[in-house]
Amino acid sequence: GEDVEQSLFLSVREGDSSVINCTYTDSSSTYLYWYKQEPGAGLQLLTYIFSNMDMKQDQRLTVLLNKKDKHLSLRIADTQTGDSAIYFCAERGYSTLTFGKGTMLLVSP
Amino acid sequence: ETGVTQSPTHLIKTRGQQVTLRCSSQSGHNTVSWYQQALGQGPQFIFQYYREEENGRGNFPPRFSGLQFPNYSSELNVNALELDDSALYLCASSLEALNYGYTFGSGTRLTVV
Repeated sequence: GEDVEQSLFLSVREGDSSVINCTYTDSSSTYLYWYKQEPGAGLQLLTYIFSNMDMKQDQRLTVLLNKKDKHLSLRIADTQTGDSAIYFCAERGYSTLTFGKGTMLLVSP
Repeated sequence: ETGVTQSPTHLIKTRGQQVTLRCSSQSGHNTVSWYQQALGQGPQFIFQYYREEENGRGNFPPRFSGLQFPNYSSELNVNALELDDSALYLCASSLEALNYGYTFGSGTRLTVV
């Protein structure tokens, strides 16, 4: 079955880089996503990567995909206090997104 | 271009009652999905509608049902509410041909007492 695992918590200082990790199990996933959720809000799509890519960069965000190990990571450069939120990794199946439980990122000044 | 809007934002219901949650999809998006997010958890897939037909369903009982209308708005109906149905319900729309992402609404917070 499909399962997505993430570490639950990450704390960094403002200006540092943050790396959030995710493992997934469905090797047939075509797209993998990173979503951000701020308190009381819905999900904001941050970035996505197609399964035939191994890296994607989008401004401060870098996504790395290791298909062999089914490992996905999100690196946020120059992390700001406004980046404090919960980050969800998700894999796409036929008609569904399967999400991890989310990683809470806390950025301290 | 409008985003995905959901109503109401908050709702309190009593166990055993029925509830209808509404979603207005992003303009041009013909696919809508509903997710349940319990406190401290990731969203769980309930079902998806494509061109007014159910196109996939997660592990939710039949008392969770939905409709999608020709204007691509949709409803999630839950009968015989249970305390465990308390959660944030998220609607997401997409244009099927564009697989790069789903646009989520801000959700409806349902509390069952």
